[in-house]
Amino acid sequence: EDQVTQSPEALRLQEGESSSLNCSYTVSGLRGLFWYRQDPGKGPEFLFTLYSAGEEKEKERLKATLTKKESFLHITAPKPEDSATYLCAVQEGGSNYKLTFGKGTLLTVNP
Amino acid sequence: EAQVTQNPRYLITVTGKKLTVTCSQNMNHEYMSWYRQDPGLGLRQIYYSMNVEVTDKGDVPEGYKVSRKEKRNFPLILESPSPNQTSLYFCASSPHNQPQHFGDGTRLSIL
Repeated sequence: EDQVTQSPEALRLQEGESSSLNCSYTVSGLRGLFWYRQDPGKGPEFLFTLYSAGEEKEKERLKATLTKKESFLHITAPKPEDSATYLCAVQEGGSNYKLTFGKGTLLTVNP
Repeated sequence: EAQVTQNPRYLITVTGKKLTVTCSQNMNHEYMSWYRQDPGLGLRQIYYSMNVEVTDKGDVPEGYKVSRKEKRNFPLILESPSPNQTSLYFCASSPHNQPQHFGDGTRLSIL
């Protein structure tokens, strides 16, 4: 059973059309939930860390929120340059800072 | 510029021929980790290191070795590569309990 599930797998938006990506998780003892962006041929690029339910973080057109079971990445008025795969990862308590990743959401924003 | 550097970026080789993928970071990070990324499976941790001379297995360590003799370097060694190790590999580093920064990946094809 997957510990981190992202939906949808793929999302196509028109420029300016706001939407949300979902990340649900089942780990216990959450140390942190991370959002990364991955462009083709590149490594994941860090966006946000959320630590506790109710927390929100914002960066330009992106806003991440966290509840006890899921996180949302809200994209407001997206632009074509926001097209990428968005990865969600959770980190459990313990001595290893291992990230358990979801499979990602491929976002395409058409001009 | 702060970065995680992996070499080579691309490699095609044959079964059984030992290879090493190097990873170097210039940020004085204590924690380093290797992940592999496969379609439909996402990113999975192979090995990690909490500091110099301290390494441990992640979720998929079979067929891999690592060493951490210096803080900046964390090479991944495939002693006898097999086709099921064909994958996209990422090295990551971070200070303890901080977001991980990823390299741009190494695409390995083992025939």
